[in-house]
Amino acid sequence: QSVLTQPPSVSGAPGQRVTISCTGSSSNIGAGYDVHWYQQLPGTAPQLLIYGNSHRPSGVPDRFSGSKSGTSASLAISGLQAEDEADYYCQSYDSSLSGHWVFGGGTKLTVL
Amino acid sequence: EVQLVESGGGLVQPGRSLRLSCTTSGFTFGDYAMSWFRQAPGKGLEWVGFIRSKAYGGTTEYAASVKDRFTISRDDSKSIAYLQMNSLKTEDTAVYYCTRVVGDGYNNAFDIWGQGTMVTVSS
Repeated sequence: QSVLTQPPSVSGAPGQRVTISCTGSSSNIGAGYDVHWYQQLPGTAPQLLIYGNSHRPSGVPDRFSGSKSGTSASLAISGLQAEDEADYYCQSYDSSLSGHWVFGGGTKLTVL
Repeated sequence: EVQLVESGGGLVQPGRSLRLSCTTSGFTFGDYAMSWFRQAPGKGLEWVGFIRSKAYGGTTEYAASVKDRFTISRDDSKSIAYLQMNSLKTEDTAVYYCTRVVGDGYNNAFDIWGQGTMVTVSS
């Protein structure tokens, strides 16, 4: 059971827009800690996709955007492309006893 | 180019030890905290531990699941981070990744990842 909750899967057709939610609690996202997003392409290591809730590292297309509100965060991908098919993970800090840096369980994006 | 390369994985029996290395290049290693993560087969990502830079005391923190069994260290002269894993259990079987850490402490993100090294704990 992950500390942050993500939908197991989402899908969309090429060109469409999809969103992936990440729900936390008052000890992590709701406490004001930043949310970061990672993309893991099949058979590869994760890569930082969004940091500080909404900032893109150099080289990440502006089709990817992040937002945060209350105890939740979202990753939006517009203009879906086949190469976006991957697992996506949200990450934050948790201040509870079991705390430190925590992840969502991951969301598998399928491009139809 | 910034690079992290893990090594040292393999097959090990339960109760035994293994040391992973993370050899880095392309950045000033001593200026950064480093962290280790793992991913069990078919599962999600799990934070394992973290070592601060010497400027922040070089102190470490660990996930509850590995505390008192795993130790992270660093050799700034060689730009290498280590993960010493003792008393290994079958549930430690995973791909282990090392990462560079960026951020202000609590709001850390992990911006560069190695390719991972597989650790299999089995008799």
